[in-house]
Parts: sequence; structure tokens; C-alpha cells
Amino acid sequence: RKEVEQDPGPFNVPEGATVAFNCTYSNSASQSFFWYRQDCRKEPKLLMSVYSSGNEDGRFTAQLNRASQYISLLIRDSKLSDSATYLCVAFNQGGKLIFGQGTELSVKP
Amino acid sequence: GAGVSQTPSNKVTEKGKYVELRCDPISGHTALYWYRQSLGQGPEFLIYFQGTGAADDSGLPNDRFFAVRPEGSVSTLKIQRTERGDSAVYLCASSPTGLANTGELFFGEGSRLTVL
Repeated sequence: RKEVEQDPGPFNVPEGATVAFNCTYSNSASQSFFWYRQDCRKEPKLLMSVYSSGNEDGRFTAQLNRASQYISLLIRDSKLSDSATYLCVAFNQGGKLIFGQGTELSVKP
Repeated sequence: GAGVSQTPSNKVTEKGKYVELRCDPISGHTALYWYRQSLGQGPEFLIYFQGTGAADDSGLPNDRFFAVRPEGSVSTLKIQRTERGDSAVYLCASSPTGLANTGELFFGEGSRLTVL
């Protein structure tokens, strides 16, 4: 079983839609969590951190449930420019970031 | 430039050959990471350096893979006796210390390795 698991998608949604991505992690010792965004044939870039209290950045909301070992990302009012792969990431006490498989999002006009 | 630089950007080699991939991190970043990404997959951790020493090399798949960072800056990933299954994009990333706080790794554009 992979340490961080995501639904690979693809998610095909119309502009303006709300879309939610889910992620689970298996290592209960993981200390912190993040969402990265990766555009096609580009390098991954940090999108936002994830906190138990929830973290909102404009149209993006991230949530962590430590009891269920579950992480989510909600995108409201999707834009064409949101099309990308979204990577769920766990930071382990050993000092490394473990990436999920990624969920592909395609926003259509 | 101020970002992470990786060379070569593309490398085509034959099965059994030796390959070196180079990473020049952001100046002043003490932590350096190597990841491998295959098509349709997320980045897979290989090795991480804190300064000159390998803090965690648990992701290296076998003894054909080796990485060094002799002066705590530039790093080289070395792959001996390449196999077709080694074909992937090799990503290098750097970070100032304290990843737990920000989680931000700065990635290079990667070196795409193709083993024929």
C-alpha cells in the first residue's frame, strides 16, 4: 500500500464548477501535509498547506482529519487555468516529503 | 538564474551505460532532494541531503543508484548499468531548513532520462 493515496482521476468539470479531491495517508506519524500543483510537463509547485482547522486561500480550501488520516482540497468556481495535476503530500519526521500519485483536473469551457 | 538548475534536460542512453545527472540548488539552501517521476505517477522519493551528508537514502531502488553532494551545494545522481525501467524524469529540489514549517520544495525542471 502506498503511503499517500489519491484518486488519479481525471476529473473533467465545466468552468464554474466546484470540485473536491480526496487523499488518505497511512503513516500516522506524518507531521504536516500540503497540496502541490503540477502543470503538464512542468515541475511541481507548492499550492498550500493543510491544517486541522482548515486552510482557505481564495477559491481553494484544504482540510485535514487526523483521526481518519484523510486530507481534502476543494476548488470553488473552477477556472480553465486550474487544469493541472494536484499532488497530495505528507511530511515525515525523517525530513522527507512523500507525494501521492496525483489527481488530474481538466476544466472545460 | 535564481532557481534550481538541472542538467542535462534530456538524456538518451543505451541499456547498460552509465549516466550522471547534475543538480545546482538555490544558493544557500542546505537541503537537497532527488525524486523520480514516471508518467502518470507522483514524484517518488530517492534521497535527501542535509549539507554534504545523505540524511536519508532509503528511496534509492538498488545499488546501481548513488548520489553525492561533496561541497554541500551541487549534487550528482549517478546511475550505473542503466536499465529500461530507469527511464523517468529525475527531479531535484532544494529547500532551506525547516521543511515542517513551510513544506516548500523548490523543484528544477527535471532531467528526462530515456534508456533504450
